[in-house]
Amino acid sequence: AQRVTQPEKLLSVFKGAPVELKCNYSYSGSPELFWYVQYSRQRLQLLLRHISRESIKGFTADLNKGETSFHLKKPFAQEEDSAMYYCALSPTGFQKLVFGTGTRLLVSP
Amino acid sequence: DGGITQSPKYLFRKEGQNVTLSCEQNLNHDAMYWYRQDPGQGLRLIYYSQIVNDFQKGDIAEGYSVSREKKESFPLTVTSAQKNPTAFYLCASSISSGTYNEQFFGPGTRLTVL
Repeated sequence: AQRVTQPEKLLSVFKGAPVELKCNYSYSGSPELFWYVQYSRQRLQLLLRHISRESIKGFTADLNKGETSFHLKKPFAQEEDSAMYYCALSPTGFQKLVFGTGTRLLVSP
Repeated sequence: DGGITQSPKYLFRKEGQNVTLSCEQNLNHDAMYWYRQDPGQGLRLIYYSQIVNDFQKGDIAEGYSVSREKKESFPLTVTSAQKNPTAFYLCASSISSGTYNEQFFGPGTRLTVL
């Protein structure tokens, strides 16, 4: 069975501090992994996906197959990064997503 | 204005009643999805449809039913058999089935059972 674990419910940092939101997954195949973000009063939206290996809003995430992790990182947090972040997995060849329980990031001035 | 719309925004239901949540998209997407969001549990897939007149159960389909008679519409009915229906419901859509395509989400419907 596929499973996504986000161990932190809340991560609170000061502006300018580095941020790492943890995500671990369990899946026997080669999954596609994503980070979705929900800002206050906005819709859930895609932040980034591992296959594109891009940096969005200063965030990056590297897939570590050995550790089955896909942690989201940003070197210098901004107040506008405060939001709910969900890690998600798509099993190979399937459209559906399996979500983690989410981590609320709070960036204080 | 393109995108996914869900109605109503808030819905109240008495125990024992069925209720239908609307989801419409004008993105010309083939695939549509329903998720349930509960505090501390993330999003869980209820049903999904990859094409008109076809749909599959997700992880928590019991007590729910759907239809996909039109490409742009994917209504979700919460039946009286659903034991704990109070939750936030999200609808999403994506371009096609097969390899993964980005899912676009609606604003959600908050259902409360009185």
